[in-house]
Amino acid sequence: QQPVQSPQAVILREGEDAVINCSSSKALYSVHWYRQKHGEAPVFLMILLKGGEQKGHEKISASFNEKKQQSSLYLTASQLSYSGTYFCGTESGSARQLTFGSGTQLTVLP
Amino acid sequence: EAGVAQSPRYKIIEKRQSVAFWCNPISGHATLYWYQQILGQGPKLLIQFQNNGVVDDSQLPKDRFSAERLKGVDSTLKIQPAKLEDSAVYLCASSLVTLAGAKEQFFGPGTRLTVL
Repeated sequence: QQPVQSPQAVILREGEDAVINCSSSKALYSVHWYRQKHGEAPVFLMILLKGGEQKGHEKISASFNEKKQQSSLYLTASQLSYSGTYFCGTESGSARQLTFGSGTQLTVLP
Repeated sequence: EAGVAQSPRYKIIEKRQSVAFWCNPISGHATLYWYQQILGQGPKLLIQFQNNGVVDDSQLPKDRFSAERLKGVDSTLKIQPAKLEDSAVYLCASSLVTLAGAKEQFFGPGTRLTVL
């Protein structure tokens, strides 16, 4: 069962903040976040391992609540280059396969 | 470091024909994945290899899809016969995987398949 992402789409002005949520009904080993621009391959952003850690990458950070099986991606002071579709991937199961959500389309306007 | 290579980039076939995709992962990456991404959706895992062994193929439609990874390096994904609903981008990815957990996956550019 794939994780649920929200919102499905968001439009921002440059410099504004955004939060993208990802929730799963399964117990998770980790949560991965990827960004995909139109017509391109997904690009890795970060992995969060169970333990409730929070990671950051420049102005993009994320948290993982292991008890609730939820993760959130925080984009601070968004730039035009942040536009794209963001996917969370949840790692579970004996094979530890990654299951991706349906994505959140982020558009940053000047 | 060279990335994940895939070919062809685009393929148009008629239904009931067969098609094959090729993937060359990043050197040294033991784990290789094939994903199907339908327009507007997230990638869906079809098959995962660890070296040349299959780790998970639970979502691979085995009546028409097959995949192999000879010598634990290159991989091919085949569809025979193709259906209209197979129209999608087929992504290959590779990663270093340890027992402690999966590492980031590096994706290739994908093959866009159109079935008419």
